[in-house]
Amino acid sequence: DAGVTQSPTHLIKTRGQQVTLRCSPKSGHDTVSWYQQALGQGPQFIFQYYEEEERQRGNFPDRFSGHQFPNYSSELNVNALLLGDSALYLCASSLGQGAYNEQFFGPGTRLTVL
Amino acid sequence: GQSLEQPSEVTAVEGAIVQINCTYQTSGFYGLSWYQQHDGGAPTFLSYNALDGLEETGRFSSFLSRSDSYGYLLLQELQMKDSASYFCAAKSGTYKYIFGTGTRLKVLA
Repeated sequence: DAGVTQSPTHLIKTRGQQVTLRCSPKSGHDTVSWYQQALGQGPQFIFQYYEEEERQRGNFPDRFSGHQFPNYSSELNVNALLLGDSALYLCASSLGQGAYNEQFFGPGTRLTVL
Repeated sequence: GQSLEQPSEVTAVEGAIVQINCTYQTSGFYGLSWYQQHDGGAPTFLSYNALDGLEETGRFSSFLSRSDSYGYLLLQELQMKDSASYFCAAKSGTYKYIFGTGTRLKVLA
């Protein structure tokens, strides 16, 4: 049973560039949430995707956008990168839109913006 | 605003019992989850409380009091492998989780 996978593992970008992060949910899961975790902090909710639509968004600017594909995998795009975007980006999958409470997290993508 | 407060660090010895508290202030509160995260690892789900009371899962138990906006995670028979960061997370509305700042647990031999 495949767990949540994310790619790439690490990424280094410069200010102003754009980045795309990818996530494949746990087998059988249809809901994907994205989180940003700064060093020493808790994960912060970016947004959640279900049935290929963004269902809810956290307090993140429009530079952060996403997409969910018919196979439930998802992408997170960040435009015009800032130094403050350096963080661990976590993808979490779950079954059902809020009906189940256990989220399964992937290993994350470590983004460094120089 | 919406926030969850946890102690930043807790230290205990192997075999002991430790309690990690969490107070929350959120709108549209549905329930409280707890996650464990080892250094360099992904958060892993421990428990979820939707109703008041104690939920027990092996060595771990979680408690919720909605009237006090308070919960705690109780870890019994501590083991070295329990050294990790622990996060409470409030389910705010149907889809969104707000995480606390995390509590770093150090288990000493």
